[in-house]
Amino acid sequence: SQQGEEDPQALSIQEGENATMNCSYKTSINNLQWYRQNSGRGLVHLILIRSNEREKHSGRLRVTLDTSKKSSSLLITASRAADTASYFCATNLDYKLSFGAGTTVTVRA
Amino acid sequence: DTAVSQTPKYLVTQMGNDKSIKCEQNLGHDTMYWYKQDSKKFLKIMFSYNNKELIINETVPNRFSPKSPDKAHLNLHINSLELGDSAVYFCASSRSGTGPYEQYFGPGTRLTVT
Repeated sequence: SQQGEEDPQALSIQEGENATMNCSYKTSINNLQWYRQNSGRGLVHLILIRSNEREKHSGRLRVTLDTSKKSSSLLITASRAADTASYFCATNLDYKLSFGAGTTVTVRA
Repeated sequence: DTAVSQTPKYLVTQMGNDKSIKCEQNLGHDTMYWYKQDSKKFLKIMFSYNNKELIINETVPNRFSPKSPDKAHLNLHINSLELGDSAVYFCASSRSGTGPYEQYFGPGTRLTVT
């Protein structure tokens, strides 16, 4: 079974708006990672947050982690058309990544 | 200068055939993985090798056999292909040791079994 579950499944926003997606998971983790997948392509790593961290930033990305609620969120600020993709959270425990089904984000020009 | 490459990109074959997918990484990583992504985009780990040694072997039919001739290559051989094997297969690699480390994915191989 999948470890992480993303919410919402799909998101459509206007260029310039912010996009927020959430991830919930079930078991303990060492760290949580977010990946992006453009249509027909492989996954690209975006950001990694360790289990003892609460928030992390990378450019227009902001990730939070709440281990007490077993949840994480990914915020993309000032979205661009190029941000159109599927976004996956992946929990990492003992060298194994467990992925959710992803959130499909469409950014309208 | 492709980091993780897979061949072929597309593979269409009939049930019962045997096929292989090749993966190579030029990142100098010690660990490589095979994932399967189904039509609903669920991505599931199948195997992982560290320095040519199998370290993760999920519940995968034994028709699937990974082979790592060296730490830069991890191939996937599938015997007696079934309709349910149709999916996109991704190879990935990462550093090993005291991490954590992100994984680098190949472009995927879309397998269609008819």
